[in-house]
Amino acid sequence: DTGVSQDPRHKITKRGQNVTFRCDPISEHNRLYWYRQTLGQGPEFLTYFQNEAQLEKSRLLSDRFSAERPKGSFSTLEIQRTEQGDSAMYLCASRISGRENNEQFFGPGTRLTVL
Amino acid sequence: DQQVKQNSPSLSVQEGRISILNCDYTNSMFDYFLWYKKYPAEGPTFLISISSIKDKNEDGRFTVFLNKSAKHLSLHIVPSQPGDSAVYFCAVNTNAGKSTFGDGTTLTVKP
Repeated sequence: DTGVSQDPRHKITKRGQNVTFRCDPISEHNRLYWYRQTLGQGPEFLTYFQNEAQLEKSRLLSDRFSAERPKGSFSTLEIQRTEQGDSAMYLCASRISGRENNEQFFGPGTRLTVL
Repeated sequence: DQQVKQNSPSLSVQEGRISILNCDYTNSMFDYFLWYKKYPAEGPTFLISISSIKDKNEDGRFTVFLNKSAKHLSLHIVPSQPGDSAVYFCAVNTNAGKSTFGDGTTLTVKP
């Protein structure tokens, strides 16, 4: 399977704990995006990377959130001191910059539940 | 301030008929407009897109129309099939490829 993969698919944690999610993009894709989706809403942009450089972060990404893409391949999203409001689906997407139709390829997401 | 709005949360059509999904946006600087389809427990999958320099793009049963003066985007599915039942998101892109999504329309196609 050469699609975008995310791990874990589901995470249940207690408030105050730290969690880390992993995204493996399609191998030749230089851009990687993180989105958050809550029930009844569309995905909301969090941050994106071009290769290993983090180029933009949303205001939604508080200082409890950090993302890395150390070698320009896989990426991790860490949430420290989780809060109940962090419960959501976290989606990762990748693409090649410069492609005409701008489509992104999404992974299946990691569903986070904070108790 | 929601930049992309899908005003119909749900739409139900009969198999074989046309489905029309609508989307309004606020910023005339967007350069690409896309539609994604999402099934439960899966991430969104790309369906069709249109550049801001065009007003129509067609791919099989799917056609996207762009009305720049009205800042309005629509997706037509003809003929609709039960397998088209899913949540449809419109999205707008800037040059960086970052997407802003609407809240989605749930399409149900009845056999």
